[in-house]
Amino acid sequence: DADVTQTPRNRITKTGKRIMLECSQTKGHDRMYWYRQDPGLGLQLIYYSFDVKDINKGEISDGYSVSRQAQAKFSLSLESAIPNQTALYFCATSDPESGRTDTQYFGPGTRLTVL
Amino acid sequence: GIQVEQSPPDLILQEGANSTLRCNFSDSVNNLQWFHQNPWGQLINLFYIPSGTKQNGRLSATTVATERYSLLYISSSQTTDSGVYFCAVEKGNYGQNFVFGPGTRLSVLP
Repeated sequence: DADVTQTPRNRITKTGKRIMLECSQTKGHDRMYWYRQDPGLGLQLIYYSFDVKDINKGEISDGYSVSRQAQAKFSLSLESAIPNQTALYFCATSDPESGRTDTQYFGPGTRLTVL
Repeated sequence: GIQVEQSPPDLILQEGANSTLRCNFSDSVNNLQWFHQNPWGQLINLFYIPSGTKQNGRLSATTVATERYSLLYISSSQTTDSGVYFCAVEKGNYGQNFVFGPGTRLSVLP
């Protein structure tokens, strides 16, 4: 089984709808992240969480919210989807070794289209 | 914030050829990683390499932190190497400020 899973893998929705993207991990990592990738571009950080009680905004958090239900689960919500939120969304986890910067492990991505 | 540039933006190779991808960044960093995004969109971490040289099979990477660049070498390329290669850097140590470069799109032809 994959260490980081995302559901759904593909979603088409309409403007104004509320959408939730879910991420689960079996790696036992405390840190989890949500990124979006626009066509032809690199990834941008939306939100990150260092543990269940610690949630922080990334560089493009407007229009999004998150929930860290447990160490293994981190959900991303679009309260009222708009077309420019059409993108590929990635969840990632990390677990820094003592004294080192961490490596991030990515889920397979969710392709979201907002019509 | 930190600016990240990658070159070339696109690269087309015949199978078996070697290639070098470059990542330039505008400030000192404590975290630099290379990722491969395959044609199906899956993103895979290749190297954590804020400085020095690492090798993993046909891939190797070198970061010269003092000169603010990193190189990814692909030797004896295979069609499965196709995809987009991203460099990502962070000034801090916690993964909350990763800045991704625009990527290099590699196409390996049989």
